[in-house]
Amino acid sequence: AQKITQTQPGMFVQEKEAVTLDCTYDTSDPSYGLFWYKQPSSGEMIFLIYQGSYDQQNATEGRYSLNFQKARKSANLVISASQLGDSAMYFCAMRVVSSYGKLTFGQGTILTVHP
Amino acid sequence: GAGVSQTPSNKVTEKGKYVELRCDPISGHTALYWYRQSLGQGPEFLIYFQGTGAADDSGLPNDRFFAVRPEGSVSTLKIQRTERGDSAVYLCASSLISGEQETQYFGPGTRLLVL
Repeated sequence: AQKITQTQPGMFVQEKEAVTLDCTYDTSDPSYGLFWYKQPSSGEMIFLIYQGSYDQQNATEGRYSLNFQKARKSANLVISASQLGDSAMYFCAMRVVSSYGKLTFGQGTILTVHP
Repeated sequence: GAGVSQTPSNKVTEKGKYVELRCDPISGHTALYWYRQSLGQGPEFLIYFQGTGAADDSGLPNDRFFAVRPEGSVSTLKIQRTERGDSAVYLCASSLISGEQETQYFGPGTRLLVL
C-alpha cells in the first residue's frame, strides 16, 4: 500500500518570501510518480508539478520546485517569491506502476501568505 | 480548451434518495477517475475507467455506489439510498492515458449534502 504524509497542517509565509511544504511517502513499488496540487477555496484541484522516481534532476515549474530526496522518501514543494494568490490548500500525491489509476493523497497543508 | 466539467455543482438530497453525478472529461482523454473528498481531508480514490470499462473500482465504499461510462467519454457516478455519511465533494479527473507519469486534471467537483 502507498502512503503520503504531510506533517504541516498549516504554514504561514510573508509575501515575496520562499516557503517549503513537506511531503514524505511510502511505497515498495520501484516506479512511481509524485505530484503536487493546489486547491484554492473555490475547490478545484490545480496541478502544479510532477517528479518521476527515476528522474535525476529535481522538477521545476516557474516559481515551483520539487526537492526530491529519494533515499529519504521525501518530495517537498518549494514556492519561491510567494504571492497572496498562493494562499490555498496544497496536496502531495503519488501514483505507482502497479496501480496505474489511483492517486494517493496526503492530508494537505494550508498555506497562508501575509502581505 | 475546455477542462473537466462536473454537474451539478451542488446537490442537496434527503437520506435514502438516489443521486447521479455527472463528469465530462477533457476531450480525447481516455482515462477517467472519481475521487471523494471529505471536509479537511485529501481526496480518496473511488473508481478508474480506461475507455468504457472500470479498470479499478477498489475504492467504491459499498454496493450503493456504482459508476458508468457507456461511450468512453461522459461518466455518471450513481449513489443509491444515500446516507448522511455520503456528504462530501465528489471530484472527477481525466488524463490522456493511464500511467504513473500521466497528470490527472480535475474538475470543480460536486458538493453533495445528504440531509
